[in-house]
Amino acid sequence: DGGITQSPKYLFRKEGQNVTLSCEQNLNHDAMYWYRQDPGQGLRLIYYSQIVNDFQKGDIAEGYSVSREKKESFPLTVTSAQKNPTAFYLCASSPGGAPYNEQFFGPGTRLTVL
Amino acid sequence: AQKITQTQPGMFVQEKEAVTLDCTYDTSDPSYGLFWYKQPSSGEMIFLIYQGSYDQQNATEGRYSLNFQKARKSANLVISASQLGDSAMYFCAMRGHNTNAGKSTFGDGTTLTVKP
Repeated sequence: DGGITQSPKYLFRKEGQNVTLSCEQNLNHDAMYWYRQDPGQGLRLIYYSQIVNDFQKGDIAEGYSVSREKKESFPLTVTSAQKNPTAFYLCASSPGGAPYNEQFFGPGTRLTVL
Repeated sequence: AQKITQTQPGMFVQEKEAVTLDCTYDTSDPSYGLFWYKQPSSGEMIFLIYQGSYDQQNATEGRYSLNFQKARKSANLVISASQLGDSAMYFCAMRGHNTNAGKSTFGDGTTLTVKP
């Protein structure tokens, strides 16, 4: 079955630690995205990548980093510089960046900083 | 810049009735796409329906239809014959073509509760 996997589903980290969230897709999509969702709110774009070895900052990139070394993988690192990292993180992919391309979402990772 | 506004934080509807969820947008792109997603309490985002800015007809997908009024910059979602399983959060989103290529902007969502 084609789709997007995110791991882990729940993640706990201590303050001051970096943590990496995994996102893998087998849909052969060129574009991949990371969103942050806070309780009762919409999705805010952290980073996106339209092609391998290239990525752009979204609206709230500070305190986060990404890499896109393989087409199917787009890991997100939440660094200690992120002031309030507790949130729900969603990864998505799409065939491309055209307006008609829908985004397919993974199941999400719920990060809690203790 | 792109902006999506969903003015209804919460909506209630009786089972089997129709409900309209509002969405207005703003963009400088001449070409864009509008999307609606459903997010149940599990957190997954489920794609519902798409409308292109140049599409002449309103999009429909089963019980979902999109009331697209380009001049008013609105893209309201209509759910007919509501079911208990429709209770969820609903997000309107848009993607531009030029200045915002590749980016999606989401509204703050509307929580729909279907009453038996």
